[in-house]
Amino acid sequence: RKEVEQDPGPFNVPEGATVAFNCTYSNSASQSFFWYRQDCRKEPKLLMSVYSSGNEDGRFTAQLNRASQYISLLIRDSKLSDSATYLCVVTRRRDYSGAGSYQLTFGKGTKLSVIP
Amino acid sequence: DVKVTQSSRYLVKRTGEKVFLECVQDMDHENMFWYRQDPGLGLRLIYFSYDVKMKEKGDIPEGYSVSREKKERFSLILESASTNQTSMYLCAALRGAISGANVLTFGAGSRLTVL
Repeated sequence: RKEVEQDPGPFNVPEGATVAFNCTYSNSASQSFFWYRQDCRKEPKLLMSVYSSGNEDGRFTAQLNRASQYISLLIRDSKLSDSATYLCVVTRRRDYSGAGSYQLTFGKGTKLSVIP
Repeated sequence: DVKVTQSSRYLVKRTGEKVFLECVQDMDHENMFWYRQDPGLGLRLIYFSYDVKMKEKGDIPEGYSVSREKKERFSLILESASTNQTSMYLCAALRGAISGANVLTFGAGSRLTVL
């Protein structure tokens, strides 16, 4: 099983729709979780961190389910400008101690196209 | 916000050439990373550094080396470029331990084509 897996996509949704992405992770020692957004031919940029209690930022809601080992991203009232690839990131400590000893693993991303 | 600058946005090199990709960050962050991103494969870690002159191999270090002589600069070196190293290369920086407050910030990327 891959360490981080995302919905394969692509997701093609009409404006105004609600869309949800899931991301599963295999290592129960994973500590921090993030969603990044990547526009075509640009670098990934942080969309939001994912907290244990769930968190919301405007139309975006992120949730973490440690028991089932997945995180989710919900986008409400989709806009054309939401079209992008969404990457989940999972981190854990490496097997050795020391500064910078974190393993960051990226999902391959889910492409979202919001259609007029 | 930290700014991560990659010196070259687009490069075209020939097989066997030595290639330097430079990355500079302006916020004194300890940790710096080099990734490559390919369609269908996602982001893969090549090397990272958690301090000056310190480096650690990532998942795909073969064919690459790195240099971190100053805290703000992390260079990726392809000693002898090959066509399978054609890719988008992304540099990133991180302050301290990753958390909700400390996040990974990427440069704009360097798209390398090896002919």
